[in-house]
Amino acid sequence: EVQLVESGGGLVQPGRSLRLSCAASGFTFDDYAMHWVRQVPGKGLEWVSGISWNGGSVGYADSVKGRFTISRDSAKNSLYLQMNSLRAEDTALYYCAKATSGYSSSSPNYWGQGTLVTVSS
Amino acid sequence: QTVVTQEPSFSVSPGGTVTLTCGLSSGSVSTSYYPSWYQQTPGQAPRTLIYSTNTRSSGVPDRFSGSILGNKAALTITGAQADDESDYYCVLYLGRAIWVFGGGTKLTVL
Repeated sequence: EVQLVESGGGLVQPGRSLRLSCAASGFTFDDYAMHWVRQVPGKGLEWVSGISWNGGSVGYADSVKGRFTISRDSAKNSLYLQMNSLRAEDTALYYCAKATSGYSSSSPNYWGQGTLVTVSS
Repeated sequence: QTVVTQEPSFSVSPGGTVTLTCGLSSGSVSTSYYPSWYQQTPGQAPRTLIYSTNTRSSGVPDRFSGSILGNKAALTITGAQADDESDYYCVLYLGRAIWVFGGGTKLTVL
């Protein structure tokens, strides 16, 4: 069974950094692209970032480009999102999602339960 | 900036058929955008219904189907049930590892 468990969320001041993690199990992590998707409570889904199976292809939403960095560690079966220069508008529930294949052109398929990030002074 | 468009709301009668669409602010949606569809109820993580235009995700009943209709991607629900009342989101691939979600459609079954 595919399991994705996000962690690392919390309350952080504007301008500070936070690193989200996603522990993956139940599938061959190295074979699949991964995504981060966020959602402000009560609002819609926003794609944040994605990474191909080998990390060779990464993409970012314009809203986070230059501030967020996605990465993956095959030895730990984990996905990460390094978030720098955080802003109030980054406040959201952050979901980790497994893609349908290894390519960056494959969409999110299986979802974790999310970790909440609150940016506030 | 590319915007993905969805109907803000839609209603369907129980047992009826409804088609939700997913378009682009400029241009037409084709299979090259790998449109995918998700269902979400309050407090829950999204559930994948359809990916790559028309492939049903594991466990999704066949009354959910995806297609390209004209210049948009479409999600059709046949035989609507009360528990289909949810928010529905589409996502499109814009190339260069970039994806964009639509604003979502709130479906009411009444």
